[in-house]
Amino acid sequence: NAGVMQNPRHLVRRRGQEARLRCSPMKGHSHVYWYRQLPEEGLKFMVYLQKENIIDESGMPKERFSAEFPKEGPSILRIQQVVRGDSAAYFCASSPREGRGDIQYFGAGTRLSVL
Amino acid sequence: DQQVKQNSPSLSVQEGRISILNCDYTNSMFDYFLWYKKYPAEGPTFLISISSIKDKNEDGRFTVFLNKSAKHLSLHIVPSQPGDSAVYFCAASAIKAAGNKLTFGGGTRVLVKP
Repeated sequence: NAGVMQNPRHLVRRRGQEARLRCSPMKGHSHVYWYRQLPEEGLKFMVYLQKENIIDESGMPKERFSAEFPKEGPSILRIQQVVRGDSAAYFCASSPREGRGDIQYFGAGTRLSVL
Repeated sequence: DQQVKQNSPSLSVQEGRISILNCDYTNSMFDYFLWYKKYPAEGPTFLISISSIKDKNEDGRFTVFLNKSAKHLSLHIVPSQPGDSAVYFCAASAIKAAGNKLTFGGGTRVLVKP
């Protein structure tokens, strides 16, 4: 029973390029969350998605960032025109359903480095 | 505005002794609290959780205590083992928040000395 899968594990981009981060939730999970962790800080919520729907994007920057979770395939976090400040670890988590008490299971993360 | 705070960035403890990690929160709407453990280059791993209707939850070597009036929770690990050396994050969610998004503290790095 595979856990949350994220790829790539490491991603290097130059300023101005695009970064695409992928997340496949655990089998049977239809809720996906993206978090960002800056060095020496805690994780910060970015966006919550269900299949084909963005439920809460209150933590995501208004510009350059977008997320999707299509009917088929993984969830994608897309960062356009990356800047050095985007360098961070991006974690995806999934849960089986919405509701209090549902544990979020995390992937190993994608470490983005912007040169 | 940091709604969840872990004021001790690091903790060193001898193997076999108790580790006590603390967490404070400011948002009175939070009603569900979790502790995650994180090793370098890995994702957070769920440890234990507690609902606001309880004041204690125990699972093996891990016990979480919640003091709602003080907006404070703590994680006790006893006995501590070298494999417990990791960063521990406290997280909270609010009853009316859509989708159960988690607000994390800054983490406490625990080192268990053999």
